[in-house]
Amino acid sequence: EDKVVQSPLSLVVHEGDTVTLNCSYEVTNFRSLLWYKQEKKAPTFLFMLTSSGIEKKSGRLSSILDKKELFSILNITATQTGDSAVYLCAVEALNTGTASKLTFGTGTRLQVTL
Amino acid sequence: KAGVTQTPRYLIKTRGQQVTLSCSPISGHRSVSWYQQTPGQGLQFLFEYFSETQRNKGNFPGRFSGRQFSNSRSEMNVSTLELGDSALYLCASSSGLAGALGTQYFGPGTRLTVL
Repeated sequence: EDKVVQSPLSLVVHEGDTVTLNCSYEVTNFRSLLWYKQEKKAPTFLFMLTSSGIEKKSGRLSSILDKKELFSILNITATQTGDSAVYLCAVEALNTGTASKLTFGTGTRLQVTL
Repeated sequence: KAGVTQTPRYLIKTRGQQVTLSCSPISGHRSVSWYQQTPGQGLQFLFEYFSETQRNKGNFPGRFSGRQFSNSRSEMNVSTLELGDSALYLCASSSGLAGALGTQYFGPGTRLTVL
């Protein structure tokens, strides 16, 4: 069974700190790894990673994938209160025939305080 | 481009009843996936539809079913509701081409409460 584990489960930081969120996975027929941010309801897309060692960056957020060690990290620099959310990691894997499914981790709850 | 829409946003039902949830994907997206989100289990995959066909199914009982229409809109049905079905039900759409889900865009969800 496909498995995605995120750590830490939650953390509290001060505004301006840098945080690193971790995601490890065990899946068969890996296709991609995705990061989402969930504040109130709908998760919003952050990054999709398919190749090892290539950093994806968007403003203060960046992410990298290591396909050999089966993990990814999401970095947030100079955190702001607006970064407070649950960050979800999901792995897409080929499941049946040519169709894929996403397996989500339980998320890391980040709280940024003033 | 309009985002993914879900109706209704909130539902309260009693045990034993059935419920139908609706999802309209982003225009041009042919893949619709459904997820159940609970505090204890996180986001769990229910099923995925592409061009009116169920391509994939998660580990949920047969009480959970779905369908997709020719305009890519999808419905999810839960029969004989149980207390444990109380959850946020999210749908997500993507292009779904070549069997890949790729980047999925989520709707706001339907909050189902079973009493």
